[in-house]
Amino acid sequence: EVQLVQSGAEVKKPGESLKISCKGSGYTFANYWIGWVRQMPGKGLEWMGIIYPGDSDTRYNPSFQGQVTISVDKSIGTAYLQWSSLKASDTAMYYCVRRPGNQPFDYWGQGTLVTVSS
Amino acid sequence: EIVLTQSPGTLSLSPGDRATLSCRASQYMSYTYLAWHQQKPGQAPRLLIYAASSRATGIPDRFSGSGSGTDFTLTISRLEPEDSAVYYCQQYGSSFSFGGGTKVEI
Repeated sequence: EVQLVQSGAEVKKPGESLKISCKGSGYTFANYWIGWVRQMPGKGLEWMGIIYPGDSDTRYNPSFQGQVTISVDKSIGTAYLQWSSLKASDTAMYYCVRRPGNQPFDYWGQGTLVTVSS
Repeated sequence: EIVLTQSPGTLSLSPGDRATLSCRASQYMSYTYLAWHQQKPGQAPRLLIYAASSRATGIPDRFSGSGSGTDFTLTISRLEPEDSAVYYCQQYGSSFSFGGGTKVEI
């Protein structure tokens, strides 16, 4: 069974750094793109970026370029999303997603809630 | 960037009704790289439809998709109470983008 299991909820202060994770199982992790999607409170879905674990090829939505960093450790089947300096506007639910080839996102993680507040 | 516009914003219907959701793309999509995702309250989204009209694994046949070019439709025939959710269209042919969502209330 394909599963994407994300790390738990985080509460941080503005200016702090953060790295959240997404562990894939039930499939060959290196062969599928892993993306990240933001959902701000009460709002819709926004694609942030995507990485191919096989060679770490990474693409960003221009709106998020320079604001976050996506990385992967294929030896442990885990992708990461990190911030170096959080802002209150980063408060949101973050989902990781799997993408097979030229297909849409076919599996979603359960989400990680990030709250940034002083 | 392809912008997707969904309508209506909210649909209020009764069990057994038929729901018709629209998704319009800002540019012609020569490949039907259009998907629909369902998000129930408090849950992660899940894939319903890909390639405009193909149902994902385990999706009941009361969900169907159609369309091409710039206009796409998700139809839910014989609505059931558990179909209450927000439905998002997604294009994956030119980078990725989502529509703003249609909330279906039953």
